[in-house]
Amino acid sequence: AQSVTQPDIHITVSEGASLELRCNYSYGATPYLFWYVQSPGQGLQLLLKYFSGDTLVQGIKGFEAEFKRSQSSFNLRKPSVHWSDAAEYFCAVVFSGNTGKLIFGQGTTLQVKP
Amino acid sequence: GAVVSQHPSRVICKSGTSVKIECRSLDFQATTMFWYRQFPKKSLMLMATSNEGSKATYEQGVEKDKFLINHASLTLSTLTVTSAHPEDSSFYICSAESGKNIQYFGAGTRLSVL
Repeated sequence: AQSVTQPDIHITVSEGASLELRCNYSYGATPYLFWYVQSPGQGLQLLLKYFSGDTLVQGIKGFEAEFKRSQSSFNLRKPSVHWSDAAEYFCAVVFSGNTGKLIFGQGTTLQVKP
Repeated sequence: GAVVSQHPSRVICKSGTSVKIECRSLDFQATTMFWYRQFPKKSLMLMATSNEGSKATYEQGVEKDKFLINHASLTLSTLTVTSAHPEDSSFYICSAESGKNIQYFGAGTRLSVL
């Protein structure tokens, strides 16, 4: 079955520290990959996406993600976290043949310590 | 660009009444819009895919007579929760597809049914 897994439900990092949020997907063909961020009570904002080409993609707010086909992963990274990055992060995938339907991971809650 | 407006942001209604939620793409045309439901501290669950000028496609387990979707123009989709009951209380989020497989999200609607 097509699925997206974010292994870490909750992550706490200190402000200024680096961050990596994990995302794995099931399926054989390369899907379209996305990371979204959600602040409490708000909708989702697109951070970055991968369709093809360079496997390291840059997004907004200093985020980047790397697609690794061999690991079926699309991990999100940021070199130095700011307090304003505290939010819920969702990895999402459009699988081939799914006509645009996003499959979401369970989400990772990021807490930033001062 | 790619702004999606969702209205209202919050609604409280009595059990048995109907509630309409609007989703508008402000600066682009969206042939396809999506409606999601999000439970507290949970991921997004796709309810239905809304295509302009045709009937919506509902996900398994979603009652189409309960959740009426209309997509009458390329910039507007509406979700009507009919005869709402307390178990329908939730956070509803819409998205609009801009270009191939990129969804932009509204800010969500918090529905509370008394």
